[in-house]
Amino acid sequence: DAGITQSPRHKVTETGTPVTLRCHQTENHRYMYWYRQDPGHGLRLIHYSYGVKDTDKGEVSDGYSVSRSKTEDFLLTLESATSSQTSVYFCAISDPRGGGDTQYFGPGTRLTVL
Amino acid sequence: LAKTTQPISMDSYEGQEVNITCSHNNIATNDYITWYQQFPSQGPRFIIQGYKTKVTNEVASLFIPADRKSSTLSLPRVSLSDTAVYYCLVGRGGGSYIPTFGRGTSLIVHP
Repeated sequence: DAGITQSPRHKVTETGTPVTLRCHQTENHRYMYWYRQDPGHGLRLIHYSYGVKDTDKGEVSDGYSVSRSKTEDFLLTLESATSSQTSVYFCAISDPRGGGDTQYFGPGTRLTVL
Repeated sequence: LAKTTQPISMDSYEGQEVNITCSHNNIATNDYITWYQQFPSQGPRFIIQGYKTKVTNEVASLFIPADRKSSTLSLPRVSLSDTAVYYCLVGRGGGSYIPTFGRGTSLIVHP
């Protein structure tokens, strides 16, 4: 399995509090992604990064920010958590030099916003 | 972005071959087709990828017709442990590519 870890694995927080989720990789892959998964919606891309300090928005980026100061770490921040952000968050990495999109996923973080 | 369409759900029985078809009518010339498998409470796992014709690995086969407007994931002799959600993605990766997983196909394998 690709070396991807996510922390924390579970978190319960209250509405209005800031939350930061961390994704760490040991594969030196250039691309990193943050997804959320909710019942009935499948996986939806929040933000992605194509290099250190290079990030871009996905399809559901409102309310989220990201940072990537090192190749191995990609942080997802909820500046002021809302109940609608209760979800399972997955990080993924890829190295598309072969042409196709082959992503490797972390174990996920279950976030509950009360 | 190439949009994909796959069945929401499928049922099968142990030992049968399962074929899941994905439609991607506006696939671009440089796009690859990639399939992922996801078990409950886990992240998706890469299964197979192809560009054209047929690709086979130890887990599955991927059939892609000449026009590349669809693809079929074939799982030989499924077992209960193949019960999962299967996603079809189309894209080249890198650049401004935004992967779109959709809801996938929920496969249930019965005893």
